[in-house]
Amino acid sequence: EIVMTQSPATLSVSPGERATLSCRASQSVSSNLAWFQQKPGQAPSLLIYGASTRATGIPARFSGSGSGTELTLTISSLQSEDFAVYYCQQYNDWPPTFGGGTKVEIK
Amino acid sequence: QVQLQQSGPGLVKPSQTLSLTCAISGDSVSSNSATWNWIRQSPSRGLEWLGRTYYRSKWYNDYAVSVKSRITINPDTSKNHFSLQLNSVTPEDTAVYYCARVGTVVGATGYFDYWGQGTLVAVSS
Repeated sequence: EIVMTQSPATLSVSPGERATLSCRASQSVSSNLAWFQQKPGQAPSLLIYGASTRATGIPARFSGSGSGTELTLTISSLQSEDFAVYYCQQYNDWPPTFGGGTKVEIK
Repeated sequence: QVQLQQSGPGLVKPSQTLSLTCAISGDSVSSNSATWNWIRQSPSRGLEWLGRTYYRSKWYNDYAVSVKSRITINPDTSKNHFSLQLNSVTPEDTAVYYCARVGTVVGATGYFDYWGQGTLVAVSS
């Protein structure tokens, strides 16, 4: 199965700053990658699919890029509600697999 | 708007069966495009996909290798829900369990666009 590795594990960012999260795949996932946001006590929520397409209602400050084995989620200007854990998920190969997550915390 | 509402016990004894149900509103378990999935999350295993059920002129199920000998996912068209049964549980099965929908299968499996609220299931005597 494809192993997804996210880095860093924790990212300390000040409100208004840019955050860049990395997701690396053990083999190519093409653009078949989704990003999720999870807040404490809640289920993960879809942010991005197809590596770069924002889900319905997701603000433009969230953007996804990359393909193959190196993919990135960028939050252009962090708002208070963006401090959370972010996961990537590949759906290019069987079974679907998730990364270990990046926690974005307030600096 | 699709909503998934989970129900089931939060405590199961070792060697017994974990049973959860996911009620669907805003879509149909018999959809010809969606798949209906169970995923769990624990500190030790992270987010782990467990299995799915879906309808394409007939019913299909797929399961993760790690639980394949112990898991059953069943649809119930009369109640528009689907269920998870995990047999012979151990403390390692303690996790938050989620049901989730894939709206349209793209790539090999699709991405999870709607999730249930999650159920913390502890396996303990």
